[in-house]
Amino acid sequence: ETGVTQSPTHLIKTRGQQVTLRCSSQSGHNTVSWYQQALGQGPQFIFQYYREEENGRGNFPPRFSGLQFPNYSSELNVNALELDDSALYLCASSSGQGAGYNEQFFGPGTRLTVL
Amino acid sequence: AQTVTQSQPEMSVQEAETVTLSCTYDTSESNYYLFWYKQPPSRQMILVIRQEAYKQQNATENRFSVNFQKAAKSFSLKISDSQLGDTAMYFCAFIDGGSEKLVFGKGTKLTVNP
Repeated sequence: ETGVTQSPTHLIKTRGQQVTLRCSSQSGHNTVSWYQQALGQGPQFIFQYYREEENGRGNFPPRFSGLQFPNYSSELNVNALELDDSALYLCASSSGQGAGYNEQFFGPGTRLTVL
Repeated sequence: AQTVTQSQPEMSVQEAETVTLSCTYDTSESNYYLFWYKQPPSRQMILVIRQEAYKQQNATENRFSVNFQKAAKSFSLKISDSQLGDTAMYFCAFIDGGSEKLVFGKGTKLTVNP
């Protein structure tokens, strides 16, 4: 059974640029959640995708957007990067909606640095 | 809004000893779940233990156990017989039964010393 994978591992961008982060969910999982973890902080929920549809969103501006594909892998896109977007971006997959019922399995994260 | 508070930014413990990490939360929901996640240095976050709010019995997983005080909205993690591999950031997290959003605390950095 393959776990959650994310790419790339590290990324350096400059302010104003756009970035795409990728996540492959664990086999058998149809739900992907994205979190932003700033240095020294706990993860903050960005949004969740369930069966290719956005299924809830945290307090993040519209320049954070996502996609989920038929194979349940997912992308996180961030436009007009700001310095405060520098963080570890975590992807988590689960089977079914709601982490309360189903454990979320986390990937290793993508470390984004915005200069 | 639900919030999770971890009041201990850092803790240390000697190998083989017991340590307790604190967590409080705030919610008006009656159906919810609580979690402790472990994030080792440069490694993936993994679930340590989970508690359903409707269960009165405290969850245990081997050396890990919780003290769930629903009325006080408190959810502490006890690690017994601490091992060097327990060194990590520990996050307390909450989700209500109808939500998709995990709410995390700021974490406690635990160091186990030999």
